[in-house]
Amino acid sequence: DAKTTQPPSMDCAEGRAANLPCNHSTISGNEYVYWYRQIHSQGPQYIIHGLKNNETNEMASLIITEDRKSSTLILPHATLRDTAVYYCIVRVGAGGGADGLTFGKGTHLIIQP
Amino acid sequence: GAVVSQHPSRVICKSGTSVKIECRSLDFQATTMFWYRQFPKKSLMLMATSNEGSKATYEQGVEKDKFLINHASLTLSTLTVTSAHPEDSSFYICSAAYSNQPQHFGDGTRLSIL
Repeated sequence: DAKTTQPPSMDCAEGRAANLPCNHSTISGNEYVYWYRQIHSQGPQYIIHGLKNNETNEMASLIITEDRKSSTLILPHATLRDTAVYYCIVRVGAGGGADGLTFGKGTHLIIQP
Repeated sequence: GAVVSQHPSRVICKSGTSVKIECRSLDFQATTMFWYRQFPKKSLMLMATSNEGSKATYEQGVEKDKFLINHASLTLSTLTVTSAHPEDSSFYICSAAYSNQPQHFGDGTRLSIL
């Protein structure tokens, strides 16, 4: 799986949009971009994933650049409960598949009141 | 949908005892389940991959005789930490996957060995 690079931490004001960047310059054509988050002392929570088109669901939007070398996760209206470590993961295949996920260090997003 | 339940959420036991952790997919049949471990201030590390009815595949450095995995049905996998010692104290997390859906995680089990 391709490696990802994320900033170690970010702050965002409550009510504002939180934009979390991820670089994955060595991504292959059949690798998807996944985002998970982990709130303190809980298991990771799936957020969203995509291949090359932008994706949106009830939690967030995922913007993938045309060259697919980077992406941005957008939380449109951040709340205090969005404070968590956000992981950007690149892996082959659209689903759970037969392989476990490789977690990097992620971005610690802190939502400020 | 896609709920994964893990039990117990926390366990404290004496050194030398064995501890069993259960992972259940509540509303779907999981073709594959995964076990991860997370030490304080570190990322999750994959320990093993488990397919229903077959032997688990362990990551390099994970002792299969110490961490016994049973995946007897499409909704249940268990991890048994045998003869646990203080260095096995960690946060153990399972995930489950089916078909082309993303992996979904349980809420983890915090294991403390005294």
